[in-house]
Amino acid sequence: AQKITQTQPGMFVQEKEAVTLDCTYDTSDPSYGLFWYKQPSSGEMIFLIYQGSYDQQNATEGRYSLNFQKARKSANLVISASQLGDSAMYFCGVSNSGAGSYQLTFGKGTKLSVIP
Amino acid sequence: NAGVTQTPKFQVLKTGQSMTLQCAQDMNHEYMSWYRQDPGMGLRLIHYSVGAGITDQGEVPNGYNVSRSTTEDFPLRLLSAAPSQTSVYFCASSYSGLPRSQETQYFGPGTRLLVL
Repeated sequence: AQKITQTQPGMFVQEKEAVTLDCTYDTSDPSYGLFWYKQPSSGEMIFLIYQGSYDQQNATEGRYSLNFQKARKSANLVISASQLGDSAMYFCGVSNSGAGSYQLTFGKGTKLSVIP
Repeated sequence: NAGVTQTPKFQVLKTGQSMTLQCAQDMNHEYMSWYRQDPGMGLRLIHYSVGAGITDQGEVPNGYNVSRSTTEDFPLRLLSAAPSQTSVYFCASSYSGLPRSQETQYFGPGTRLLVL
């Protein structure tokens, strides 16, 4: 079974500052993927960034980067230059596949509030 | 492409009633899944399918049935609704289940279900 832990239920960040959202995971699969999704107050789930377990470099997508520390089973999301529109819930997820199955397990989320 | 569509957007049921939540995607994705989102619990996997005719249980399958007769559609059936099934339901799809590649799951807009 996979497990995702997001230890920060809520966070505040000043506009234009950088913020790190924590995520640790536990999986026994040698090959897996790590995802971050954003859920604004409107409710939709928006894909932000992906990191494969065998990828040597940290993933980046615009203002989003994933600080991947495999030995520590950590996949923190870094948002640079926060904007008011970044205020939302953020979910970390880990995927696996094996023996014909495929599952994506999410953490409980972190609510980010950006302060003007 | 319409992406992933879900109907209805909102539904109120009485305990014991049955209903089907519809999910369709027009991206020819092999993998489809259903999640429920409850406050403080994040998203939890109910059922998933890796292709037409193939379904499997996720973390919280009790009380729900699924079938996958076509690549495009993946309906979720509640046979006898209970208040504990009050939740927001998301359908998602992706091309395949391999985490090694960038297998982003695309989410539908969600269905809010209230069981009285």
